[in-house]
Amino acid sequence: EVQLVESGGGLVQPGGSLRLSCAASGFTFSSYWMHWVRQAPGKGLVWVSRINSDGSSTSYADSVKGRFTISRDNAKNTLYLQMNSLRAEDTAVYYCARDGATTVTTFYFDYWGQGTLVTVSS
Amino acid sequence: QSVLTQPPSVSGAPGQRVTISCTGSSSNIGAGYDVHWYQQLPGTAPKLLIYGNSNRPSGVPDRFSGSKSGTSASLAITGLQAEDEADYYCQSYDSSLRRVFGGGTKLTVL
Repeated sequence: EVQLVESGGGLVQPGGSLRLSCAASGFTFSSYWMHWVRQAPGKGLVWVSRINSDGSSTSYADSVKGRFTISRDNAKNTLYLQMNSLRAEDTAVYYCARDGATTVTTFYFDYWGQGTLVTVSS
Repeated sequence: QSVLTQPPSVSGAPGQRVTISCTGSSSNIGAGYDVHWYQQLPGTAPKLLIYGNSNRPSGVPDRFSGSKSGTSASLAITGLQAEDEADYYCQSYDSSLRRVFGGGTKLTVL
């Protein structure tokens, strides 16, 4: 059974940093691209970042580029999101999600974690 | 403001059929990228409901179906049940090389 378990969320002051983790199990982690998707309270889903299977390629939403860094440790089956210079608008539940892309026109998320809440406030 | 446009809410009585629309543009749905749908029950994580426009993952009831035409897509739910009350999101890919979502639609079962 595929499982994704996020951790590391919490309350942080504006300008602070936080590192999220996502522990994966039930599948060959090193074979899949992975993503972070966030959801502000009462709002919709927003894609944040993705990383390819060996970690050599990353991509970010404009809103977090230069502040967030996605990485992975395939030996530990773990995905990370380092968040620096946090702002109030980064407050959200952060989900890790597995990439389900199957063709050059089909890009989706086939499994999601339960999410971890990040609150940026003084 | 979401790249894909969905109605904020829809409603229907048990047993009825409802549809949720998802409108994009020539840089995403209209460019040939597939549309996918997620169901988010209250207080839970999103769950893949439909992928590749019309395919259902194992375990998803055939009451749920998806279609795509031009720059739009639709999710249809037949035989509406109380447990279908949730938020539904469409998602596609954009020529700006990112995955994009609709703003979400809250389904209320009357």
